[in-house]
Amino acid sequence: GQNIDQPTEMTATEGAIVQINCTYQTSGFNGLFWYQQHAGEAPTFLSYNVLDGLEEKGRFSSFLSRSKGYSYLLLKELQMKDSASYLCAVEDSNYQLIWGAGTKLIIKP
Amino acid sequence: ETGVTQTPRHLVMGMTNKKSLKCEQHLGHNAMYWYKQSAKKPLELMFVYSLEERVENNSVPSRFSPECPNSSHLFLHLHTLQPEDSALYLCASSQDPKGGYTEAFFGQGTRLTVV
Repeated sequence: GQNIDQPTEMTATEGAIVQINCTYQTSGFNGLFWYQQHAGEAPTFLSYNVLDGLEEKGRFSSFLSRSKGYSYLLLKELQMKDSASYLCAVEDSNYQLIWGAGTKLIIKP
Repeated sequence: ETGVTQTPRHLVMGMTNKKSLKCEQHLGHNAMYWYKQSAKKPLELMFVYSLEERVENNSVPSRFSPECPNSSHLFLHLHTLQPEDSALYLCASSQDPKGGYTEAFFGQGTRLTVV
């Protein structure tokens, strides 16, 4: 079966760095997405990785290792507004998105 | 108005009611999706319309019925729902993913409560 695993909840301190991991087992691979979802709001796109390596976008970076079925989202200089759920999703060989259950990130002052 | 718009934002319905959720996208996309989001569970893909072709998820009960009259509008018709159907229903749109990389844009969802 297809499976995406990510931690249920993480806590970090304002100004610090946090890494949210995602491991996957899917039927084929056409790319990995990270989305951010604030409580009561729509998920919004953060990043996309299809090749191995690190993609940096401001305070957020995303890493992919296809051989290990592994990705992480790195958030630097954490701000209170970064408190949200972070969703990992993989596009399989049928172009369907397989979603993880999301990681709820709590930022403390 | 831009983006993906869903109405209503909140809906409470009895198990014998019939209601419809509406989604509209103003992004020029050619694929639209219905997702169910339950607490602490992965997003569950319910239905996809892509290039006017409907892709069904066979695990979706027949009490949920989608309708896509054109590439900008998507409906989810609800009939004789069960309390376990209470969830956040999200609509999304994108370009057809078979054409290469594409990101999905989501509406803010309809919070459905079945009583």
